[in-house]
Amino acid sequence: SQELEQSPQSLIVQEGKNLTINCTSSKTLYGLYWYKQKYGEGLIFLMMLQKGGEEKSHEKITAKLDEKKQQSSLHITASQPSHAGIYLCGADMNTGTASKLTFGTGTRLQVTL
Amino acid sequence: DTEVTQTPKHLVMGMTNKKSLKCEQHMGHRAMYWYKQKAKKPPELMFVYSYEKLSINESVPSRFSPECPNSSLLNLHLHALQPEDSALYLCASSLYPGQGNGKLFFGSGTQLSVL
Repeated sequence: SQELEQSPQSLIVQEGKNLTINCTSSKTLYGLYWYKQKYGEGLIFLMMLQKGGEEKSHEKITAKLDEKKQQSSLHITASQPSHAGIYLCGADMNTGTASKLTFGTGTRLQVTL
Repeated sequence: DTEVTQTPKHLVMGMTNKKSLKCEQHMGHRAMYWYKQKAKKPPELMFVYSYEKLSINESVPSRFSPECPNSSLLNLHLHALQPEDSALYLCASSLYPGQGNGKLFFGSGTQLSVL
């Protein structure tokens, strides 16, 4: 089975600071998804990366996929309190009939004022 | 309508009770999922329905019984649960099943406590 390890496990940053979260896979990544979860709530889709070297941005969040290193990174620029939550990477394991999304260990982000 | 609606939001049940969790989406999605999430852990896949048919069962104990009555509804029937089954149960949907369709829309979950 595919394992996704995220680092750091938790992060506390001051508002306005930049930060990076990493996701490393035990197997080759064919597609990588980033989600955000507020505590005790559902997940919200952020971005999908499918090609090696691909980079996507949405507002102040940028994600990159490095297939050779089996890694993805999520970078937040000028963090805000609204960025606080749990960030989860997910890898898509195609079983033929259904998509099986497996999630990483998660990174808890706190943004202080 | 881009929402996945789960009911109830909170559920407390005894080990001898029978209860059901409900999930509804009206986005025309043809794949629906049940995930279980323990505190401070990532969500773990339980079941996947593709075109209203059960396509993945991640070796879930039979005390959990999924049902997909139609393309918009997904139920999870609970019977004789154990305290260790206490968790956040998340429902999700995607437009289609299969690789490349990992953009899931999640409900806000049902927080289940088994006493």
